[in-house]
Amino acid sequence: SQTIHQWPATLVQPVGSPLSLECTVEGTSNPNLYWYRQAAGRGLQLLFYSVGIGQISSEVPQNLSASRPQDRQFILSSKKLLLSDSGFYLCAWSGTSNQPQHFGDGTRLSIL
Amino acid sequence: AQKITQTQPGMFVQEKEAVTLDCTYDTSDPSYGLFWYKQPSSGEMIFLIYQGSYDQQNATEGRYSLNFQKARKSANLVISASQLGDSAMYFCAMSYYTGNQFYFGTGTSLTVIP
Repeated sequence: SQTIHQWPATLVQPVGSPLSLECTVEGTSNPNLYWYRQAAGRGLQLLFYSVGIGQISSEVPQNLSASRPQDRQFILSSKKLLLSDSGFYLCAWSGTSNQPQHFGDGTRLSIL
Repeated sequence: AQKITQTQPGMFVQEKEAVTLDCTYDTSDPSYGLFWYKQPSSGEMIFLIYQGSYDQQNATEGRYSLNFQKARKSANLVISASQLGDSAMYFCAMSYYTGNQFYFGTGTSLTVIP
């Protein structure tokens, strides 16, 4: 069966520090991969999605970036975090289009 | 433009009663899928139920059913026999058969009262 792992679960970082959140999927090949951010009590904002290695689509201009160095690995990064980057970050995968997305457990990021 | 609209920010239901969570969508593409997710306070997003735009029957999964009214562009989630563990945020989402993106609504917070 397919599983998705996302880490860390919680992260506290100072303003201006770098960020790296990692997401890996097991049990499937060539998944579509997604990064979302969720502000407290709000809906999901799509940040990036990828349909293949090295293929990244950005939905919202910001100081975050994403990379997909391997088929089942998706990384969310920042060189310098801002206070506004605080939130709950969710990674998700899906198979072919129009299949459900399956989510990781999320990372709660607090910027101090 | 908002593709998915959930007009109920908060709902309350008595334990063991049924509840309907509303979802309307906006699209001119005939080929799409509709999804419902549950997000407990712990944060994980749990897939509940799926309805394809060409499906003739309303989808059902255990206590969850989807009231799909294509002409009205609505896809309401019905939870029967509510349980305390159903208290959570519920999100409606849509994707296109030919696309890779999901469009999520703003969610409805459901509280089940004992």
